[in-house]
Amino acid sequence: DADVTQTPRNRITKTGKRIMLECSQTKGHDRMYWYRQDPGLGLRLIYYSFDVKDINKGEISDGYSVSRQAQAKFSLSLESAIPNQTALYFCATSDFGQGQDEDEQFFGPGTRLTVL
Amino acid sequence: AQKITQTQPGMFVQEKEAVTLDCTYDTSDQSYGLFWYKQPSSGEMIFLIYQGSYDEQNATEGRYSLNFQKARKSANLVISASQLGDSAMYFCAMMVRDAGGTSYGKLTFGQGTILTVHP
Repeated sequence: DADVTQTPRNRITKTGKRIMLECSQTKGHDRMYWYRQDPGLGLRLIYYSFDVKDINKGEISDGYSVSRQAQAKFSLSLESAIPNQTALYFCATSDFGQGQDEDEQFFGPGTRLTVL
Repeated sequence: AQKITQTQPGMFVQEKEAVTLDCTYDTSDQSYGLFWYKQPSSGEMIFLIYQGSYDEQNATEGRYSLNFQKARKSANLVISASQLGDSAMYFCAMMVRDAGGTSYGKLTFGQGTILTVHP
């Protein structure tokens, strides 16, 4: 079974709708992240959380919100979706430690979101 | 702020030959880690190799090696004996740490290089 799962895997929605993307992990990691990938731009960080009570904005947080319901769950919401939020969204987790053990992030399979 | 630059939008290589994918980075931090990820057409992100800024030896993982030149701020990925399954998008990424060695937790990615392996 996958260590980091994302639901849904694909979603098509309309402008103005509220959308929630969910991420669950069984790796026991405290740190979780949400990234979006647009063609030609690589991945960019939206929000990250170092523990259940810690939420931080990333590079492109406008138009998004998150909820850390438990150590294993981190959800991303689009309150009112717009077409330029069409992208591939990744959840990731990482451990707390030193060097590669801390730096390395483990990615979910991604969610393809299309906003019409 | 950190920045990763991958100047090769696309690269082609013959099967069984070696290929180098370029990556340069910009940071004023002294402690950081560099990564390469592979993204096949199916979309998942696959970790390939890691290099810490204080690691004296270049990292190697099977057919992957990282040519780390700290003074030039480059971290090129070398894939030896290319296989058809190596055709994918490749991302270079960086994580910086504070003076105490604790990660800030944010990966900065380059724009990626699409590698195509010809039979």
